[in-house]
Amino acid sequence: DAGVIQSPRHEVTEMGQEVTLRCKPISGHNSLFWYRQTMMRGLELLIYFNNNVPIDDSGMPEDRFSAKMPNASFSTLKIQPSEPRDSAVYFCASSFSEAADTQYFGPGTRLTVL
Amino acid sequence: GENVEQHPSTLSVQEGDSAVIKCTYSDSASNYFPWYKQELGKRPQLIIDIRSNVGEKKDQRIAVTLNKTAKHFSLHITETQPEDSAVYFCAASKGGSYIPTFGRGTSLIVHP
Repeated sequence: DAGVIQSPRHEVTEMGQEVTLRCKPISGHNSLFWYRQTMMRGLELLIYFNNNVPIDDSGMPEDRFSAKMPNASFSTLKIQPSEPRDSAVYFCASSFSEAADTQYFGPGTRLTVL
Repeated sequence: GENVEQHPSTLSVQEGDSAVIKCTYSDSASNYFPWYKQELGKRPQLIIDIRSNVGEKKDQRIAVTLNKTAKHFSLHITETQPEDSAVYFCAASKGGSYIPTFGRGTSLIVHP
């Protein structure tokens, strides 16, 4: 089992650029979560998918952020345009059946927006 | 929505001592309470969880207790070791499509 896979692991970009983060959940898992972690705000849930459908996106900070899950094995989180305050570690996590289940986190993407 | 408060934010202990981290939640319908450990620069990983039909669960040096009446649950680590140093997160969820709410985390430092 390869676990949750995220790419890239590190991303450095300039303000105004588009950033796309990618996630491959564990095979057979039906739920997928995107989190953002910073020292100031801790671990924040951005969006939750169940069976590829967005269930709760209330944590998405603003319209610059968008997420998709076109199939059960792939999801993207896009920031357009990026801003320095978006700098954070972004984690993707998946769980077997639903939200109230063990979440398996990916290694994270460290995003730096200059 | 659910609100999870976690205390303390920082906990410093000597190796061999016990450590206790407490979380309170607001939604009495919550029924799943996991604890995650995040080492520096690593991903959060589940270390133990408990469901509302159980009052206590143990796994070697780690235990979690749940008081549904008071709406709080605690993580207990006995005989702490330097490798226990990490940030610990609690969370609460009521299942189905309801997303888990995480606490702000506790930074545990175990001094050799």
